[in-house]
Order: sequence, then structure tokens, then C-alpha cells
Amino acid sequence: GAVVSQHPSRVICKSGTSVKIECRSLDFQATTMFWYRQFPKQSLMLMATSNEGSKATYEQGVEKDKFLINHASLTLSTLTVTSAHPEDSSFYICSARDRGRTGELFFGEGSRLTVL
Amino acid sequence: GENVEQHPSTLSVQEGDSAVIKCTYSDSASNYFPWYKQELGKGPQLIIDIRSNVGEKKDQRIAVTLNKTAKHFSLHITETQPEDSAVYFCAKDGNQFYFGTGTSLTVIP
Repeated sequence: GAVVSQHPSRVICKSGTSVKIECRSLDFQATTMFWYRQFPKQSLMLMATSNEGSKATYEQGVEKDKFLINHASLTLSTLTVTSAHPEDSSFYICSARDRGRTGELFFGEGSRLTVL
Repeated sequence: GENVEQHPSTLSVQEGDSAVIKCTYSDSASNYFPWYKQELGKGPQLIIDIRSNVGEKKDQRIAVTLNKTAKHFSLHITETQPEDSAVYFCAKDGNQFYFGTGTSLTVIP
């Protein structure tokens, strides 16, 4: 199957700092990427939908100024958690839609963020 | 966001038995229904999917059935093995892509 690379897999930062997470589609072009947040033993919560070359669409309740999303190319989207606080600690997962295969969505391995 | 209803939330079966997980949805625009397996600390992995023009699809021990009229679809795992233990999510793709609430499957050796 298609490969989506997410980096870093784990990051620990101090409260007040910003953290950037990258999501890359390695062997296909992704016109749309999604960012999810997952709390322990819970489902994936869609945070935002990112389309290449345009502004991300955020879900209700997700602060766009806190979770900055950039989708600069067909293979890369980034999520920046700005001024991180302990409550931002979570598992963040990206996914990418293969433009060549209608509907199929492939996921990165996730990034575990811990804010001290 | 919109979630798909998924049942049961936890499921324990003896090795070799079958496991069935069911999801229901309300959005008629959905055309694509994938199932994902998530192991601890990892991202979800696509295991099988079905499109709205098909009622059933099978891949070795895994099968998915879809009832568009009743708006539900199910995952069937036969001859379960301990390595099938994981959290399984259904999802639907229409105007947006949303996940079910998840089922934690435990296969007891």
C-alpha cells in the first residue's frame, strides 16, 4: 500500500514553545491531507482538512491560530502546535488521500506530543 | 465533527472464533467504507474497504458487508488469531472523512 511518513514520531517540549509535525506522502501525490488528534482509548478526532495550495478547513472547536496547518506541496503537509500547553499533549495522526485512487486514505504512524 | 456509530466498543473472543463489528451511519452521500486496524502507539492501517455499489467483499479471513438501505456495514473476521488483537475503526467517506468510535478486540489464546 501507499506510504505516508510522519515525523517526528515522538516529541517532548516545554510549555510555551512551538512544535512542528510533518506529514509526507512518499509514493503518491496527495491533494488532500487530514489531521487527527487521538486521546488514549478514544477514536480519531478530525481537526482539519488540508488541501494543497489553499487554506485548511478546521473542524468546529479547533483553534486555527493554535494549530497551524500548511500544505505547500502535493506531498507535504505540516501541523504546528503553537505556544504548546500540557493539555495539547496527545497523539497526532495525519492521513493523505491518494489522488490516483479515489477515496483511499493512508495514515502516518502518528506523533506523540508531550508538553511539560 | 461527525462520528459513525460503532458497536461493540470492546469484544473478546476465543482464538479460532469469529468476530463481528458493526457500524451505522446517517449520511446518504457516503460511497466508500473502509476499515482500519490500529495497534498500540501506531497509526491506523487500512485492512479492507468496500464501495457503495458492492454488497460484500472478502479478503482471506476478513470480510465486509454493506447494507446501503439500512445504512450499516460490518466487519467479519473469521478464525481469529492473537495477532488480530487491536483496535478496529470503521470510517465513511462522503463530504468528509470520519471514523467510528472504535472497537477494542482481544483474541484470547
